[in-house]
Amino acid sequence: NAGVMQNPRHLVRRRGQEARLRCSPMKGHSHVYWYRQLPEEGLKFMVYLQKENIIDESGMPKERFSAEFPKEGPSILRIQQVVRGDSAAYFCASSPVGPGAAGANVLTFGAGSRLTVL
Amino acid sequence: AQSVTQLDSQVPVFEEAPVELRCNYSSSVSVYLFWYVQYPNQGLQLLLKYLSGSTLVESINGFEAEFNKSQTSFHLRKPSVHISDTAEYFCAVIGGYNKLIFGAGTRLAVHP
Repeated sequence: NAGVMQNPRHLVRRRGQEARLRCSPMKGHSHVYWYRQLPEEGLKFMVYLQKENIIDESGMPKERFSAEFPKEGPSILRIQQVVRGDSAAYFCASSPVGPGAAGANVLTFGAGSRLTVL
Repeated sequence: AQSVTQLDSQVPVFEEAPVELRCNYSSSVSVYLFWYVQYPNQGLQLLLKYLSGSTLVESINGFEAEFNKSQTSFHLRKPSVHISDTAEYFCAVIGGYNKLIFGAGTRLAVHP
């Protein structure tokens, strides 16, 4: 079991470009969470997805950010027209079951994708 | 709404000394608490968790934390730290939809 895989590990973009971050959850996990860690800060929740559904996007900025978790393939966090303030580490975590189920409370994190906007 | 406060942003300590990293939480629902550790340029690893039962929980590498409901605290302790414990430590509480609400983190620096 390879764990939660995130790529790219490091991504450099110029202002105005698009950034796409990918997350493959652990095998058998169908619940994905995205977090952002700004420099010198803790992790902030962004969005929670199940296969083909966005369940909670209360932490997503209203503009330029979107996320998806298709039936096949990894979850994608997409940032359009990046700005310097988007520079951060973006972490993905996965869980095998949904909220309220036994064993639901432990998330497994990936190593993160570090976005630098020039 | 759930929230977590980590009272110390940095904790310097000498090797083999004891350490306590403080965490206070606020939650209006059932309380599930976690400590995660982040080594430089790596992701988060679960250190220990409190879901129910005994209020004292332990990790495999000598850390322990005690859930104190009356003081709404979940402080992390280790009686004797090692250089390899140098990392950032995050306290977290479960929010709605099973998402984790993190504190700002405490940077533990162990000096020889």
